[in-house]
Amino acid sequence: KQEVTQIPAALSVPEGENLVLNCSFTDSAIYNLQWFRQDPGKGLTSLLLIQSSQREQTSGRLNASLDKSSGRSTLYIAASQPGDSATYLCAVSPLMDSSYKLIFGSGTRLLVRP
Amino acid sequence: EAQVTQNPRYLITVTGKKLTVTCSQNMNHEYMSWYRQDPGLGLRQIYYSMNVEVTDKGDVPEGYKVSRKEKRNFPLILESPSPNQTSLYFCASRVRSTGELFFGEGSRLTVL
Repeated sequence: KQEVTQIPAALSVPEGENLVLNCSFTDSAIYNLQWFRQDPGKGLTSLLLIQSSQREQTSGRLNASLDKSSGRSTLYIAASQPGDSATYLCAVSPLMDSSYKLIFGSGTRLLVRP
Repeated sequence: EAQVTQNPRYLITVTGKKLTVTCSQNMNHEYMSWYRQDPGLGLRQIYYSMNVEVTDKGDVPEGYKVSRKEKRNFPLILESPSPNQTSLYFCASRVRSTGELFFGEGSRLTVL
């Protein structure tokens, strides 16, 4: 059974710092991995999608990597800003699951202090 | 603007009073699904739909119904809500080519 773990559960950093959020999954048979951002009381905003054949994706100050063999992904945020404060969720789509559901981690709650 | 729209965003109701949470997407996606998010349990899939008139149960379907009469709409129906259905609900649709899921803003439901 696929399980997704995110460490740390919470992170507080000063503005301007580069930071890394970690995501690990137990079964490497995945279709893709997606990183989301969730603001309090809001929906999930898709940040980056990495297909199983890809190693990384970049969007602005965000860079996500995928090492399928070791079951790990990282989300790198460069030059963090207070507006980056949110909960970050990673989710994998199991390869052999016809429901196309996502298995989510429990998230990392990020606070960027001014 | 490409989006998934849910209504209502917030609802307080009482046990047993039927309610429907609507979901609409304007991206012409074939696949849509519903999730609920609960503290300590994360997001779990309730129902999904591969296309019009094709729906199936997810991991936690008990107490819910869905319908897919049109491609753009995928309502979630609670025939007789109970307090354990108090949750934050998300609708999502999927890009066929990449598998990327787009989520709505969420509907916070409280059942008293």
